[in-house]
Amino acid sequence: DAKTTQPTSMDCAEGRAANLPCNHSTISGNEYVYWYRQIHSQGPQYIIHGLKNNETNEMASLIITEDRKSSTLILPHATLRDTAVYYCIVRVNAGKSTFGDGTTLTVKP
Amino acid sequence: DSGVTQTPKHLITATGQRVTLRCSPRSGDLSVYWYQQSLDQGLQFLIQYYNGEERAKGNILERFSAQQFPDLHSELNLSSLELGDSALYFCASSVSDRWGNTEAFFGQGTRLTVV
Repeated sequence: DAKTTQPTSMDCAEGRAANLPCNHSTISGNEYVYWYRQIHSQGPQYIIHGLKNNETNEMASLIITEDRKSSTLILPHATLRDTAVYYCIVRVNAGKSTFGDGTTLTVKP
Repeated sequence: DSGVTQTPKHLITATGQRVTLRCSPRSGDLSVYWYQQSLDQGLQFLIQYYNGEERAKGNILERFSAQQFPDLHSELNLSSLELGDSALYFCASSVSDRWGNTEAFFGQGTRLTVV
């Protein structure tokens, strides 16, 4: 399984875009990139996932580099409710993964 | 609301006891995953069931066991409880036997406190 590296913490101003990076240099061709977030001990919430192409949904955008060794989750207009721990998971079957430490995103007024 | 229901929400029990946590997956989902999250730690995968059969095991202790019933709900049994078993226990469900290209949805968890 590919190992992921995420910054421990990040701050973002309310209303601005939050860009959360994830490095996964050992990713293999059939491994997906998933993003989840967890708000204060609630159940993790699915955000987005992708294989090769960039993806966008109503919550966020996922940008995957051409060599697939890194990706960025973009929250286009962060709000205070986006304050959470964000997990990047890379695996064929993400369900079997241990989520790791993630990035604590703090959105400030 | 993710559609995944976990009961009870909170559970306090004594060391040495046995408890059962219950998870009802989203309608139509065949896979159930169990996770443990201890204080200030990430989610640790414990076990996965798919359509009634065990599909994958993670770092699950021998004192812990799980099963998935014909109606697809799942139960996680924790026995001979120790103080260190105090944690949040989450279940998640997905349509397929692996997440690949589908998402999984998590319940709100059961907070277990062993005293």
